[in-house]
Amino acid sequence: GAVVSQHPSWVICKSGTSVKIECRSLDFQATTMFWYRQFPKQSLMLMATSNEGSKATYEQGVEKDKFLINHASLTLSTLTVTSAHPEDSSFYICSAFLAGVGNEQFFGPGTRLTVL
Amino acid sequence: LAKTTQPISMDSYEGQEVNITCSHNNIATNDYITWYQQFPSQGPRFIIQGYKTKVTNEVASLFIPADRKSSTLSLPRVSLSDTAVYYCLVGGVRGGATNKLIFGTGTLLAVQP
Repeated sequence: GAVVSQHPSWVICKSGTSVKIECRSLDFQATTMFWYRQFPKQSLMLMATSNEGSKATYEQGVEKDKFLINHASLTLSTLTVTSAHPEDSSFYICSAFLAGVGNEQFFGPGTRLTVL
Repeated sequence: LAKTTQPISMDSYEGQEVNITCSHNNIATNDYITWYQQFPSQGPRFIIQGYKTKVTNEVASLFIPADRKSSTLSLPRVSLSDTAVYYCLVGGVRGGATNKLIFGTGTLLAVQP
């Protein structure tokens, strides 16, 4: 199946700094990628839909100025957590959408963010 | 978006067949039904997808009744390594257009020796 990678796999940062997470579709082009956040022992929560060449669509309650999404190419979407705080510590997961008969989403391995 | 309801947890023993049922009463005509598996600190992994009737692949079967308001994931002869959270999702517009997926609570399957 198609492969989606994320970088970094984990990151620790100080409060107030910004962190960028990359999501890449390695062997297919994805016009649409999704970003999720998952807190311990909870389900994945959709944060935003990233569309190549246009602005991201954010879910209700997700601050677009805090979670900046850029989808500059058909294989790369980035999520930047700006002015991170301890409550932003979470597991961030992206997925890339492969349109076709099955319309399958392929998920990345996730990025563990810890804000001190 | 269709909401899904699944049992929070299930227990099983190695070698048994496990059936996890998901309710999705408000499923739309164009929605697929997809099941994912997630291990701790990993991204979800695709298991199986279907639209109607029965679908089978090398790891699971998916049974969908005619009204499509529920679906059952069947895992034959589970092993300890099948201990994970299983998510049932509906969405993904048939025909190629994109559609976001909303995760429900998932079912934590615990397989014991």
